[in-house]
Amino acid sequence: QVQLVESGGGLVKPGGSLRLSCAASGFTFRDYYMIWIRQAPGRGLEWLSYISSGGSGMFYTDSVRGRFIISRDNVNKSLYLQMNSLRAEDTAVYYCARVEGRFSPKYMDVWGKGTTVTVSS
Amino acid sequence: EVVLTQSPGTLSLSPGERATLSCRASPSISSSSLAWYQQKPAQPPRLLIYDTSNRATGIPDRFSGSGSGTDFTLTISSLEPEDFAVYYCQQYGGSPRSFGQGTKLEIK
Repeated sequence: QVQLVESGGGLVKPGGSLRLSCAASGFTFRDYYMIWIRQAPGRGLEWLSYISSGGSGMFYTDSVRGRFIISRDNVNKSLYLQMNSLRAEDTAVYYCARVEGRFSPKYMDVWGKGTTVTVSS
Repeated sequence: EVVLTQSPGTLSLSPGERATLSCRASPSISSSSLAWYQQKPAQPPRLLIYDTSNRATGIPDRFSGSGSGTDFTLTISSLEPEDFAVYYCQQYGGSPRSFGQGTKLEIK
């Protein structure tokens, strides 16, 4: 079945780095935009970063631009998020999701269960 | 930048009642550029409605969406116990894409 499984979360010190992964299965991964969305404890959803189906187009929200890098491997059906210079405010559950929209990202119809990132000394 | 404002923040209703959740966009967006998600505790969001009024696969017909321009509505015709959750709207008519802050639907 269609599935997304995130991994790579954990506890990291401020200023540290972490790489999240998202393994996709059950659909043609290379046909879809993919996105990372995060949710801080007790807060709402934040549209973080997305990447086009071929990997050439990327977007970052202001709070992570210059610190996070999104990438994908269409052969191995995986999405990544390299997170550098982490701050306490990056503490959140990080979801990867499949995005509907052939030419631009629209809505998310498949979500992973999320991976938790905690930034604390 | 499109800002989505959801109201009310919390809605207290009983099973069997009708729920009406609002999402206001500023500035206005295309009438077919809004989605709704449901999120239960410790679970990822689930897509309910896309293109303002289309139900996602497997979503019961008690859920319906409507609206255009600046005002959008999610209606749950008769609440079931499993419907009590947090609901988010999300727009894709403007850049960057954005979510509303959520409406918590709680049991009265």
